[in-house]
Amino acid sequence: KNEVEQSPQNLTAQEGEFITINCSYSVGISALHWLQQHPGGGIVSLFMLSSGKKKHGRLIATINIQEKHSSLHITASHPRDSAVYICALRRNSGGSNYKLTFGKGTLLTVNP
Amino acid sequence: SQTIHQWPATLVQPVGSPLSLECTVEGTSNPNLYWYRQAAGRGLQLLFYSVGIGQISSEVPQNLSASRPQDRQFILSSKKLLLSDSGFYLCARAFGTGGFGGYGYTFGSGTRLTVV
Repeated sequence: KNEVEQSPQNLTAQEGEFITINCSYSVGISALHWLQQHPGGGIVSLFMLSSGKKKHGRLIATINIQEKHSSLHITASHPRDSAVYICALRRNSGGSNYKLTFGKGTLLTVNP
Repeated sequence: SQTIHQWPATLVQPVGSPLSLECTVEGTSNPNLYWYRQAAGRGLQLLFYSVGIGQISSEVPQNLSASRPQDRQFILSSKKLLLSDSGFYLCARAFGTGGFGGYGYTFGSGTRLTVV
């Protein structure tokens, strides 16, 4: 079993819809990242969470440490949100090397 | 600035040829640096990381090697490429953002390597 599982693998939405992408994990973590990868491959860090909830514009990320689960929400989705969204973990045993373990990503397509 | 410069953007190399991918970073000194690979249909996999000059840790046995000759330079190499080395290679850095355990993470734009 993978340490990080994302769902769904693929998601197609209409512009304006509310979108949720889920991430479940099976190891102890000190932080969880949500990343966005555009078709060209470049990756942008969206959020880093260790507890609770963070909001940036139309993006909201939540984490429940006890349930080992995080969600990324996009409100009022737009075609420019189309990308692969990746969940990544920093383990508790990571020390000072800040290594990340990545999920396989969720491909989001928002149609106009 | 925490910018990462990575080149080339795309590369097509024959099997058995050597490889050198370079990553240079701007910003704070002594960053933690990483090489990740993304094979088709798979998630990102950590190949190497470095916490300082000349300090390289390998995560998986493979046909590749890494070096850190300068504080802000991280190089991924191979003496003889295999078909299985094809993939998307990303350089990344972690940097402290202040506060206990606080850190940020930035990625380069990646190199798409096709071994033919």
